Parts: sequence; structure tokens; C-alpha cells
Amino acid sequence: GAGVSQTPSNKVTEKGKYVELRCDPISGHTALYWYRQSLGQGPEFLIYFQGTGAADDSGLPNDRFFAVRPEGSVSTLKIQRTERGDSAVYLCASSLGLANTGELFFGEGSRLTVL
Amino acid sequence: SQQGEEDPQALSIQEGENATMNCSYKTSINNLQWYRQNSGRGLVHLILIRSNEREKHSGRLRVTLDTSKKSSSLLITASRAADTASYFCATDSQAGTALIFGKGTTLSVSS
Repeated sequence: GAGVSQTPSNKVTEKGKYVELRCDPISGHTALYWYRQSLGQGPEFLIYFQGTGAADDSGLPNDRFFAVRPEGSVSTLKIQRTERGDSAVYLCASSLGLANTGELFFGEGSRLTVL
Repeated sequence: SQQGEEDPQALSIQEGENATMNCSYKTSINNLQWYRQNSGRGLVHLILIRSNEREKHSGRLRVTLDTSKKSSSLLITASRAADTASYFCATDSQAGTALIFGKGTTLSVSS
């Protein structure tokens, strides 16, 4: 596609439920990143994929968070047993290579609200 | 954890004025990038400056980097109402695989 696509754009769920957020990166971009952004804050790094593998998952806050990228393109961020503190905008970005060598292209984000 | 910290947190100016935002970071970097975010939207890359560069220009943007002080500044000249947005600096992580963003500067340009 022309840009990074994220779905859903908005998700409202109840505490304790399971949520999946999808990211479709720019075609040909091997690197994919997930960030989380709370109101008034900068994006917080969660996980980085190079191809199909998670090259760095040091930002995942706990084991309720998991992400996959099985074919090296689309990625899904999975959150189990959601908590109110998980409410945030989840941003996906892709790039041709490592983030520190070039720009990241961001999607519009998925806004998650946990009631 | 956040590597970069922007200053000021908020900035309000009139159209035509210049806007300067500063970023300080803690550890050695390879590159520093600046991004812009309009309210409710994703981030857009503005400019990348490498650690061996001191200044870079792109249109009305001017970025400086002082590695000895671990700081960078973003100057927007002749600002427009459309420049109203949040601006973030980002540096590579210690692992070198992901960008770490600061909390940002919210710029408001009134006409």
C-alpha cells in the first residue's frame, strides 16, 4: 500500500478482554516497529521486527503483550487480559532498514480504550 | 525509558516568528531525528542528522547537533499556522535497533 495501515482505528473493550491490533507496513519494508503513546507523552518503544523475527522486544511491558509477524509483512500486536492502564494509542511504523539509519514511516495509530 | 527530552514542553508564537525547540539526550548516539505529529495523527519524519554533522537544513527547518553537550535544536523559521503540532526528537537506543522518543514540544502558531 501507499502507507502504513493500522486497524482498527479505534477499539473500546472491557477490562480483562483480549485485543488484537493489526499493522500493514509499506510494501518492501523489512523493519517493523510497535510503539505505544499515552496522552501528552512521546511514543514508547514496544517491539521491533526485522523480517519475521522479533529483533528487540525489550519494550514489551509484561507477558500480557505479544506480537507476531509470521510472513514478514503484516504484524499483529496481541494484548491479553487488558487493564485500564493499557489505554493508549498504539502506533506502528516501518522502515527499509534499521531505525537509526533512516526514517520511520508511521501509521495513524489504533486508539485502545479499556473500560 | 526515554533517551531524549525536549524543551520547552509548550511554545506559543505568532505567524512569521521563528520557533526554536531543544532536545537533550543521555548516551552516545549514531543519529538524531526530528518528527512532527499533528493532533490525532501519526508521526512524520522531518530530518535526520548524523553524529558527525553539526548542522543541517531542509526548507524552513534548521537542525543543529552538539555531541559534546548531548543536545540538538530544531529551528522553524517564518512559522505558519500549519506548523502547529507536536515535535519530537528521537535517538537510537543502546541496542541500536529502535528509535527512542522524547516527550515532545507542543507548538502553537496563531495567525
